[in-house]
Amino acid sequence: RKEVEQDPGPFNVPEGATVAFNCTYSNSASQSFFWYRQDCRKEPKLLMSVYSSGNEDGRFTAQLNRASQYISLLIRDSKLSDSATYLCVVGMDSSYKLIFGSGTRLLVRP
Amino acid sequence: EADIYQTPRYLVIGTGKKITLECSQTMGHDKMYWYQQDPGMELHLIHYSYGVNSTEKGDLSSESTVSRIRTEHFPLTLESARPSHTSQYLCASHDRAANEKLFFGSGTQLSVL
Repeated sequence: RKEVEQDPGPFNVPEGATVAFNCTYSNSASQSFFWYRQDCRKEPKLLMSVYSSGNEDGRFTAQLNRASQYISLLIRDSKLSDSATYLCVVGMDSSYKLIFGSGTRLLVRP
Repeated sequence: EADIYQTPRYLVIGTGKKITLECSQTMGHDKMYWYQQDPGMELHLIHYSYGVNSTEKGDLSSESTVSRIRTEHFPLTLESARPSHTSQYLCASHDRAANEKLFFGSGTQLSVL
């Protein structure tokens, strides 16, 4: 079993749609959680950190469920520019190693 | 925004050659990492360093080696390149706190013929 699992997609949605991605992690000792965005043939870039109480940044909302060991990302009012691969990333303070999921691909169509 | 640099951006080389991929950051970060990523696939950690003279192998076995003689510099070396080494290599760094974001370089796309 992978340490961080994501649905690879692709999620094909029209502009303006709301789309949600989930990610599950296997290590209950995980302490830090992030969503990164990666465009084709580019390096990953931090989209947002995920906090225990949940957090929002504009159209993006992230949630953490420690009991069920999953995190989610909700994108409202999708834009064409949101088309990318979204990477779930989990880390443990003790090791500072960050484990990347394989990513969920999002395609937003006009 | 990111002060982490990788060179070369693209490298096409013949089998058997020795290559070094450069990675430098000017942010004074202790933690540096090398990831390998094939097209459409996930990132795999191949090496990491927690500071000068500290290097560790990552989760994916790699024939490459790394060194960390200076905080800002974390080069990756392949003594004898093979076609199976063809991939994208991404260097990254972050600060002491685990919840600090990871800064990535632009990557080196390596093609071994």
